[in-house]
This record gives sequence, structure tokens and C-alpha cells, in this order.
Amino acid sequence: QKEVEQNSGPLSVPEGAIASLNCTYSDRGSQSFFWYRQYSGKSPELIMSIYSNGDKEDGRFTAQLNKASQYVSLLIRDSQPSDSATYLCAVDLSGSARQLTFGSGTQLTVLP
Amino acid sequence: EPEVTQTPSHQVTQMGQEVILRCVPISNHLYFYWYRQILGQKVEFLVSFYNNEISEKSEIFDDQFSVERPDGSNFTLKIRSTKLEDSAMYFCASSEGVLGMGEQYFGPGTRLTVT
Repeated sequence: QKEVEQNSGPLSVPEGAIASLNCTYSDRGSQSFFWYRQYSGKSPELIMSIYSNGDKEDGRFTAQLNKASQYVSLLIRDSQPSDSATYLCAVDLSGSARQLTFGSGTQLTVLP
Repeated sequence: EPEVTQTPSHQVTQMGQEVILRCVPISNHLYFYWYRQILGQKVEFLVSFYNNEISEKSEIFDDQFSVERPDGSNFTLKIRSTKLEDSAMYFCASSEGVLGMGEQYFGPGTRLTVT
């Protein structure tokens, strides 16, 4: 069964620290990987996409992809209380980029 | 900044009734999607739509569901005979669809409550 797995947390970090969120996926054929942020009662908000092995940086966010290990991660530097949310890993397991499979999400709390 | 919009924000219906959820995707996007999220559970893919036809659909998207692009801007999800278990947040999303790598942008969702 094709799966996307995340630690559900909750993960708590102090303000200014680095938050590290992890995700594994089951299908080696996957080509597209996304991180979404979801505040309680709101819709998923795209924060990062990554398609190639290695790191991709965007402001305080860095996505890391290792296709050989079937692992994708998100680092949030200088965490702020406003970063407190559930972070969803989404993977195109079908390889078509037309059907995202979401993990259950990691709930992050940044403590002031 | 362009965004996906959805109406209504909340729909209450009785079991067995038909509902239509509406979405306006981002204007230059070519691929449209519906996802749902039952309270406390994962976001689940329902269907993708391109060039006026279904591209992919999940096992959830059975004969009770249908999608349509009735005009140049709207994209709709119809549930023919609602069940209690259809109660969920329904999210519309769209992507440019360039080169098969589509970043999907989600609308604010419609909360469907079936009583």
C-alpha cells in the first residue's frame, strides 16, 4: 500500500530554534514532494516544493530530499510562534503529479 | 495574488440530498482537483480534472460523486445522495500543469455537514 508517513508529534521548540520535520514515503517512483502548512480549521498552504535530491532553501525554510532513502524533511530556522501549525508532507506517489498523497501531519508548537 | 475561491464556506444538508460545491480555480491553471479532510484525519485525494475530463480518481470517488466545469471559470463537485460519512472539509485545488510538475494551491474549503 502506498503510504506517506510522518511523526505526528506534537513537536515543541523554543522561539528562535530550528524545527526539524521528517517524512518517509513508500514509492520509489515518486517525483514531486511538497510541504504544506495547515493552521487549525484552515486549508493547506503550500510552503515548499522539491523535485531533486539535495537541499532547497526558501527564506527560513529548507527542504531536503533523499530519494534513495525515500526521505524528505523540512527545516524551519529561527522558529517563530506564528510557525505553530500542522505541517503536512505530500507526495505524488503515482508519479504523475496529479494525485497527492498526504501524511497525517506533524503538529509544531513554537514556544515564546 | 491569485487564489482559489470556494463557495459556500459551510453547507448543511440532510442525508440523501444532493449538494453541489463550487470552486473558482486560479485563472491560468489547467489542472483542477478535489480533496477532502474528515475531522482529525488526513487530507485525501478525490479527483483530478484536465481538459474537461477526469484525469485520475480515487476509490472514494464513486458513482455518487461527479465533477464538472460548467463554464470558463467554475469547477464543481456534486454529491448525488449524501451520507453521514460524507461530512468533511472539501478542498478544491488547482495547478498550472506545466511539465507534469504541478504545485497545487488549495482554496479555503467548504465544510459539509450531513445530518
